[in-house]
Formats: sequence, structure tokens, C-alpha cells
Amino acid sequence: GEDVEQSLFLSVREGDSSVINCTYTDSSSTYLYWYKQEPGAGLQLLTYIFSNMDMKQDQRLTVLLNKKDKHLSLRIADTQTGDSAIYFCAEGDTGRRALTFGSGTRLQVQP
Amino acid sequence: GAVVSQHPSRVICKSGTSVKIECRSLDFQATTMFWYRQFPKQSLMLMATSNEGSKATYEQGVEKDKFLINHASLTLSTLTVTSAHPEDSSFYICSAATGDNEQFFGPGTRLTVL
Repeated sequence: GEDVEQSLFLSVREGDSSVINCTYTDSSSTYLYWYKQEPGAGLQLLTYIFSNMDMKQDQRLTVLLNKKDKHLSLRIADTQTGDSAIYFCAEGDTGRRALTFGSGTRLQVQP
Repeated sequence: GAVVSQHPSRVICKSGTSVKIECRSLDFQATTMFWYRQFPKQSLMLMATSNEGSKATYEQGVEKDKFLINHASLTLSTLTVTSAHPEDSSFYICSAATGDNEQFFGPGTRLTVL
């Protein structure tokens, strides 16, 4: 079945770059997503990438996709304390089907 | 981006009662909505897929008679937890998909069953 894995925790200093990694197993994944969840809140869609792309940049966020290795990463440049949250990667084959989520990576930004 | 709302945001109920949670897509129509459940410090687990005008599709291990889903319109899906018990306490999140392959999530509903 589908499986999405992430490391559980990442700590960085304010101003540094953060890189959150994710691996997935479903080769039919069409879209790969990054969501942010702050304590007690729902999920905020940060960005998503189509599987035929290898990079997508949106302001401070850069998504890299290695489809051969089924590896996805999210780079946050100039990380701020407000970026502290849990980041989930998720995969899906179309927008009409439910997503499979990773376990989430807790990002802690030290001032 | 598109907005999905949930109501209520928090609910506390007594064991044995039923609780209804609403999920609305505010500025777009969603023929399909999804209901997820999240336990503390864990990921989201899909419970069911809600299809407008037809029966919901439940994931394995999810009791359809306990978690009733109704998707009566293109902007509203409801999840009713019937005869709730303390083990049903969780964070329930819905999502709706736009035609652009984006999925937007509601803010979640925290259910506490005493």
C-alpha cells in the first residue's frame, strides 16, 4: 500500500534554512503536497508539486522532487520563529482522492 | 485560496450522546469531501470519502453506523458521531478538493467525550 515517511523532528536557528524531507512509495502519485499545522489548528496548504516537475519555488519555500528516488523536500529560507509548526507531506493521484499523509515533522525554530 | 469551514470548532459531550460536525466549502463547490481523524501527535488518518448525492465510502475499520456522513449539497458535508464514547475523542478534520487538484482543509473540530 501507500506509505509516506518523514523524520519526526528538526531544530534550526532563526535565520537559517530548514530542510524537511519526505519519502513516499506510491509511484502513481500525481501530486505531492506540503501542509503546515500549528498547535490546535487545522492544516494550511503551503504548496504542492506536480510529479513531472522537479522543483517549485514560492517566495521562501522551495520544493525539490526526485521522482526516481521518490524523495520530496521542503526548504524554508530565512526560517522565522513563526515557522515553528508541524509540517506534513502528503501524496495523491488526483485532487478528487483522499491524500496519504506522512507522520509530520515538528520544526522548532530557536531565536 | 479556497476556504473550508467546520462547525463547531470544539465540542464536549457526555458518553452516549450524538454529535454532528459540519464541513462547508465557502467559495467553491465540492462534489467530494473527505473526513480525517487525528489523534494527538499523530498524522491524519482517512475515515471516509463523502460524495455529494451518494453514500459515503468508508475506510477499513471505520464503522459506518457509528460515523454517519451526509453530503446533501455541493457545499456541505456532515459527520455525526453516534453514541459517542471517550475513545471517540479526537480531532476531526474535513477537506474538499477544487478542480485545480488542490485540497483545502477545514480548521478541525476537537471532540471530547466525557
